[in-house]
Amino acid sequence: GQQLNQSPQSMFIQEGEDVSMNCTSSSIFNTWLWYKQDPGEGPVLLIALYKAGELTSNGRLTAQFGITRKDSFLNISASIPSDVGIYFCAGPTLIQGAQKLVFGQGTRLTINP
Amino acid sequence: DTGVSQNPRHKITKRGQNVTFRCDPISEHNRLYWYRQTLGQGPEFLTYFQNEAQLEKSRLLSDRFSAERPKGSFSTLEIQRTEQGDSAMYLCASSSWETQYFGPGTRLLVL
Repeated sequence: GQQLNQSPQSMFIQEGEDVSMNCTSSSIFNTWLWYKQDPGEGPVLLIALYKAGELTSNGRLTAQFGITRKDSFLNISASIPSDVGIYFCAGPTLIQGAQKLVFGQGTRLTINP
Repeated sequence: DTGVSQNPRHKITKRGQNVTFRCDPISEHNRLYWYRQTLGQGPEFLTYFQNEAQLEKSRLLSDRFSAERPKGSFSTLEIQRTEQGDSAMYLCASSSWETQYFGPGTRLLVL
């Protein structure tokens, strides 16, 4: 089946640093999604990408949809303590009348103040 | 506003017992999904409802698992004869079309 591979698996950075993570797929996706999950909570959608080559920002977050449609990148600028959490990429696959999400294994971000 | 809610938030049970979880979606959403998440992994799709109809089930959903959405509103997920391997976070999500909104999950621990 489809698999999404995220790297790095974990990051330890200083507050104020920029962060970059990526996600690659064994197959093509027509949409890429980036979610953040805080401990004990469900994932929250950060950015959705719908077109190959698209670059989209949400505040300090910027994500890009790779032109091969098999990868995506998420960058966080000037990290702050509330950025701590696990970041997941996800790609939807069509099922009857809807989409099911295939998730990567996540990138865990830890910030040293 | 109320987002997606799930109850209970935590459940500890002994192996062999049955457990039932509830999901209340965002009220105008007709699509409802269940996912399972184990430690260190991303969520994995279990099943999907459109209104009251269960339209898709993953192979992960063994015959000990059953899900219902009787009136097209809330949904329940039951696990019979729980096994230690069922220990995980069970997430519910709802959508009106593309964007899925997740609840906080029910964390299950089977002893």
